[in-house]
Amino acid sequence: EDQVTQSPEALRLQEGESSSLNCSYTVSGLRGLFWYRQDPGKGPEFLFTLYSAGEEKEKERLKATLTKKESFLHITAPKPEDSATYLCAVQAHYGGSQGNLIFGKGTKLSVKP
Amino acid sequence: DTGVSQDPRHKITKRGQNVTFRCDPISEHNRLYWYRQTLGQGPEFLTYFQNEAQLEKSRLLSDRFSAERPKGSFSTLEIQRTEQGDSAMYLCASSFLQGGEQFFGPGTRLTVL
Repeated sequence: EDQVTQSPEALRLQEGESSSLNCSYTVSGLRGLFWYRQDPGKGPEFLFTLYSAGEEKEKERLKATLTKKESFLHITAPKPEDSATYLCAVQAHYGGSQGNLIFGKGTKLSVKP
Repeated sequence: DTGVSQDPRHKITKRGQNVTFRCDPISEHNRLYWYRQTLGQGPEFLTYFQNEAQLEKSRLLSDRFSAERPKGSFSTLEIQRTEQGDSAMYLCASSFLQGGEQFFGPGTRLTVL
């Protein structure tokens, strides 16, 4: 069964304290891995898509990397406005017809000034 | 703003009543997805459309749930005879390509009393 596990469930950082969030996955044929940011009461906001092992994407203080079994979201020198829940999702190959995302439970990040 | 929109943003209803939600996707997107999210969990796939055709439904989607996408534009999700367990955030997303990024709307928060 396809599955996504994120760790830690919650992470508290001081402003400027860099860290990484982990997303491990099992899927029978990875089409893509996606990172989203979600603020309370809002829909997920798209951050990155990664398609193959070794791929990296960057956006401001965020950098996403992908291996064959997991992905990391590195946060460099975070600011309080980076506080949010970060969701990881995978999209699998199933005969070319399916496109739904399978999400993890997310990591709730709090950055204190 | 040309993002995904959902209406209403909040809905409070009594158990046993029927409710209907609307989603307007990004105009050029041909794929539309419905997800459900409960507190502390990631979004869970319900169903998706390619243009006006409903291509897949999750086992989570009981007979009380029905979705439509007439003319391949906006979509509606109806829940009949609501139960307290239906209380959740209902999210709509759209994408242009089968493997493309999915962009989410703000969600409809349903509370069943």
